[in-house]
Amino acid sequence: QSVLTQPPSASGTPGQRVTISCSGSSSNIGSNYVYWYQQLPGTAPKLLIYRNNQRPSGVPDRFSGSKSGTSASLAISGLRSEDEADYYCAAWDDSLSGLYVFGTGTKVTVL
Amino acid sequence: QVQLQESGPGLVKPSQTLSLTCTVSGGSISSGGYYWSWIRQHPGKGLEWIGYIYYSGSTYYNPSLKSRVTISVDTSKNQFSLKLSSVTAADTAVYYCARVGYYGSGSYNPWGQGTLVTVSS
Repeated sequence: QSVLTQPPSASGTPGQRVTISCSGSSSNIGSNYVYWYQQLPGTAPKLLIYRNNQRPSGVPDRFSGSKSGTSASLAISGLRSEDEADYYCAAWDDSLSGLYVFGTGTKVTVL
Repeated sequence: QVQLQESGPGLVKPSQTLSLTCTVSGGSISSGGYYWSWIRQHPGKGLEWIGYIYYSGSTYYNPSLKSRVTISVDTSKNQFSLKLSSVTAADTAVYYCARVGYYGSGSYNPWGQGTLVTVSS
């Protein structure tokens, strides 16, 4: 049911910058805020970015979000081994009387 | 610091009703300002929003699950619950509860640790 498309995988070496894309449509990303979640192996998702580019308290500034039109991106700079996780974008979708949709997810591997 | 904890049977038979409860600690559901949600994750797959409830009882459901889902709240116990009827193997998933709205209407934070529910005879 995912209407937000992400690449299945991304990788980088420690210290590198990795970018994850999230593609949607006018009914979701195009008209609503984007949120990003990090899911470490075997754990529950954790809010990483809210309202396109804001970080909750405690989230390192190595993580940054952006949005343009119907797409969004999450960037991880200074990649660290503990960043190896699944990352999901999310947004409200105004179709079908309102639906919160998640992206397909991206597995980030630290080489 | 708000914490959420899911509880309920880990095994449900096909055609029966899945029932889970989320207990909230460190904050009161009845204080308002937040919604309380259920999300699930099929094994090895992505996340699926099930729905959410306000302390007043107002609910919003995923249209694809709406005919089978009921989310309710018990403010006296500081809990909210999920019922999913007529389950099949396709409902096997890890079920998470989460608070909605601390960082905006689309922010789910924090989440419970999740509970695996397997649908099998």
